[in-house]
Amino acid sequence: AQSVTQLDSHVSVSEGTPVLLRCNYSSSYSPSLFWYVQHPNKGLQLLLKYTSAATLVKGINGFEAEFKKSETSFHLTKPSAHMSDAAEYFCVVSPNAGGTSYGKLTFGQGTILTVHP
Amino acid sequence: DTGVSQNPRHKITKRGQNVTFRCDPISEHNRLYWYRQTLGQGPEFLTYFQNEAQLEKSRLLSDRFSAERPKGSFSTLEIQRTEQGDSAMYLCASSAYRGNSPLHFGNGTRLTVT
Repeated sequence: AQSVTQLDSHVSVSEGTPVLLRCNYSSSYSPSLFWYVQHPNKGLQLLLKYTSAATLVKGINGFEAEFKKSETSFHLTKPSAHMSDAAEYFCVVSPNAGGTSYGKLTFGQGTILTVHP
Repeated sequence: DTGVSQNPRHKITKRGQNVTFRCDPISEHNRLYWYRQTLGQGPEFLTYFQNEAQLEKSRLLSDRFSAERPKGSFSTLEIQRTEQGDSAMYLCASSAYRGNSPLHFGNGTRLTVT
């Protein structure tokens, strides 16, 4: 069984300040972890993924996330927010990448990021 | 790479009617997935195909729902005797058959049942 908890349903930051979106996961397997972003009326876009290689993962648009097994966390960060970052962000867990259930993703509830000028 | 295409973008139907949605995956992807997203929630897995074989179905997929991928290319999702609780965004995604290939999502079909 696997689950994801996004600790904040809404995060509000000012443009140019750091972003932190928190995620904790639970998985019976060694998981793959992802962050996806969803802009209004757009499809889900993959930001970054962790698949048991480096624990610090760099993604698109300056985002990165650190896998901490001891804390079962996979928080998403960005040093400086931009107005275009305003969107909904989903933390996602998948069973082991080689398993037949790969692609049966479990999504968190989502965090809406608001960026103020 | 033209991305995952879903049609229609929006569908409004009356309760009790049948609806069908179509998904065209990225051409070289042999895995195709359907997810459902209700307001304020993250997407939930419904089913997936590897080529034309439907390999797994969620218990969310009641007997009113049926998905097909007859030639291993496009897929259809049909909902019979729609109910208001079926109102949601239906998302399709595809991926290559490589261990950690990411899913590429379409823009979804928004269903409203009145």
